[in-house]
Formats: sequence, structure tokens, C-alpha cells
Amino acid sequence: RKEVEQDPGPFNVPEGATVAFNCTYSNSASQSFFWYRQDCRKEPKLLMSVYSSGNEDGRFTAQLNRASQYISLLIRDSKLSDSATYLCVVNTRYGGATNKLIFGTGTLLAVQP
Amino acid sequence: NAGVMQNPRHLVRRRGQEARLRCSPMKGHSHVYWYRQLPEEGLKFMVYLQKENIIDESGMPKERFSAEFPKEGPSILRIQQVVRGDSAAYFCASSPGTGSSGANVLTFGAGSRLTVL
Repeated sequence: RKEVEQDPGPFNVPEGATVAFNCTYSNSASQSFFWYRQDCRKEPKLLMSVYSSGNEDGRFTAQLNRASQYISLLIRDSKLSDSATYLCVVNTRYGGATNKLIFGTGTLLAVQP
Repeated sequence: NAGVMQNPRHLVRRRGQEARLRCSPMKGHSHVYWYRQLPEEGLKFMVYLQKENIIDESGMPKERFSAEFPKEGPSILRIQQVVRGDSAAYFCASSPGTGSSGANVLTFGAGSRLTVL
């Protein structure tokens, strides 16, 4: 089983739509959670951290369910510029100071005009 | 702040040659990470380094691959005797030291794309 699993998509949605991505992780000791965004042939960039209480940043809302080991990202009022691959990322510390991010394979979003 | 700088951005090698990829972390960052992204796949952790120390190399293939982060200069990912399967994008990321604010947040460089002919 992969450590971080995502639906690869693609999700094809019209402008203005609301779209939700889900992600599950296998290691219950995971401590930190993030969503990154990666544009085609570019580097990943941090979109937002995910907190247990849920958090919102403009049109983006992230939720974490530790009991179910499940993370979600909701995008409201989709824009053309939201088209990208969205990466679910989990940080699990193993013993000492290792700060290793585990990436899902990403969910591709294509927003259509 | 120039961010994480990687070079070369594109590198072409023939099978059996050596590839050297360089990464200069963001100013003030002392931790460097290397990730590999194969075509149509996710990013895979390779190695985590601090200055002059390899902290975690659990994702690094046992043969042909090595990494260093010397006291002076950039971090280097070295691939000896490259094979076609090494063709990928290699991303470097940096972060402040653990215990610092934002220690969990990685800033990525633009990547080095290796093509092995």
C-alpha cells in the first residue's frame, strides 16, 4: 500500500465550479500535512498546511481527519489558473530529526472555460 | 532572496557517463533534500542532508548514486554510469533547521531534468 494515496484524476470542471480532492495516508504516526501545487514541468509549491481544526485560505479549504487518516482540499469558484496537479504531502518523523515529506502522486485538475 | 538554485536545468548524458546536479539552498536554510520525479509519477524522497552530514539516505539507490553537502558550496547529487532509467526530474528543496519556525516547509528549486540517451 502506498504511504499517501490520491485519485490521479483528471478532474475536468467548468470555471466557477467547486471541486474536492481526497487523500489517505497509511502511517498513523504522521504529524504534519500539506497540499502542494505543481504546474506542468515546474517545481512543487506549497499551497497550504492542513491543521486538525481545518483551515481556509480564500477559495481553498483543507480538512484533516486523523481517525480516518484522510485529508481533503476543497476549491470553490474554480479559476482557469487553478489548473495544475495538486499534491497531498505528509511528514512523518522516524526516530530522530528526519524531516521527510512523502508525496502522493497528485490529482490533476483541468478547469475549462 | 534568490530562492533554491539548481543547475544545470537540463542535462543530457549518454549511458555510462556521469551526471552531477548542483543545488544551492535558500539563504539561511541549512537543510537540503533531493527528490526524484519520474515521468507521470510522484516525487520520491532520495536523501536529506545538513552541512557535511547525510541525515537520511533511505530513498537513495544503493549503487551509482551519492550526495554531499560540503561546508562550502552547493549540495551535489552525483549519478555514476547513468542508465536510461535515471532519466527524470531531480528536485532539490531546502528548509530552515528543525526546531525553527517553518522547519516543516520545504522550498523547491526549479529542478534539473536529466535525459539519458
